Amino acid sequence: NAGVTQTPKFRVLKTGQSMTLLCAQDMNHEYMYWYRQDPGMGLRLIHYSVGEGTTAKGEVPDGYNVSRLKKQNFLLGLESAAPSQTSVYFCASSYTARGDNVLTFGAGSRLTVL
Amino acid sequence: SQQGEEDPQALSIQEGENATMNCSYKTSINNLQWYRQNSGRGLVHLILIRSNEREKHSGRLRVTLDTSKKSSSLLITASRAADTASYFCATGSGYALNFGKGTSLLVTP
Repeated sequence: NAGVTQTPKFRVLKTGQSMTLLCAQDMNHEYMYWYRQDPGMGLRLIHYSVGEGTTAKGEVPDGYNVSRLKKQNFLLGLESAAPSQTSVYFCASSYTARGDNVLTFGAGSRLTVL
Repeated sequence: SQQGEEDPQALSIQEGENATMNCSYKTSINNLQWYRQNSGRGLVHLILIRSNEREKHSGRLRVTLDTSKKSSSLLITASRAADTASYFCATGSGYALNFGKGTSLLVTP
C-alpha cells in the first residue's frame, strides 16, 4: 500500500519556467490538499479538493493552479515560477472532511527556483 | 491562517526524560490533532482529541485539551532518540487543517 506518492521529489527551475507536481493516492480518499512548508512558517495550505472535479483556494493560492480530474490524482501547477515559490511542497489526503479528518501526507517535493 | 501555535519552538532533553510541548489556538474547534515530522519526511498523524475530551493516551503519548483556555499539551514519556522530530498541532472546523509552526524536539542519548 503506497499511500500518498509525490513526484518529482526534487526539482530546480529557473524564474519564469513552468512545472507540475503530481500527487497520487491509492486509499480512495475523497479529499486532497497541497501545502507548502517554509522555514519558520510551518505549513500553509495552497489549494484543496473535496472531490473529483472540484478545487478550492487555501491560504496562499496565488501563483498556483490545481486540477483534480481523477479521484486519485491532484496536480499542482506553477505557470511562471518565482524565487518566492522555493519551498517544500506536501500533498495530503483524508477520508473525511467533517469532524475527524485525519491527513495522510506524502514525502514532499523540494522545489528550488533560481 | 495558522491557528495553532506551538510552544516552545525548540526543546532539547536526554533519553528517558519526558517531553512536554504546548499548543494554543484561537477559535472554536471540533478536534485537535498532533503530527510528527522526521527530518526530510512528511508529517505523520499521532493522535486526535475531540473537543468534548479532556485527555487521551496512545502508548507513550498523552494529550490534554482545555477548551476554556484554548490550549492543548502533548506529553511524550520516557523519550527515546527516535522521538527526535518536529511536532505540530493542527486544528480545523472545515475541510482543511491549519497547522502551527511546530516544536523541534531533540532527544540526546
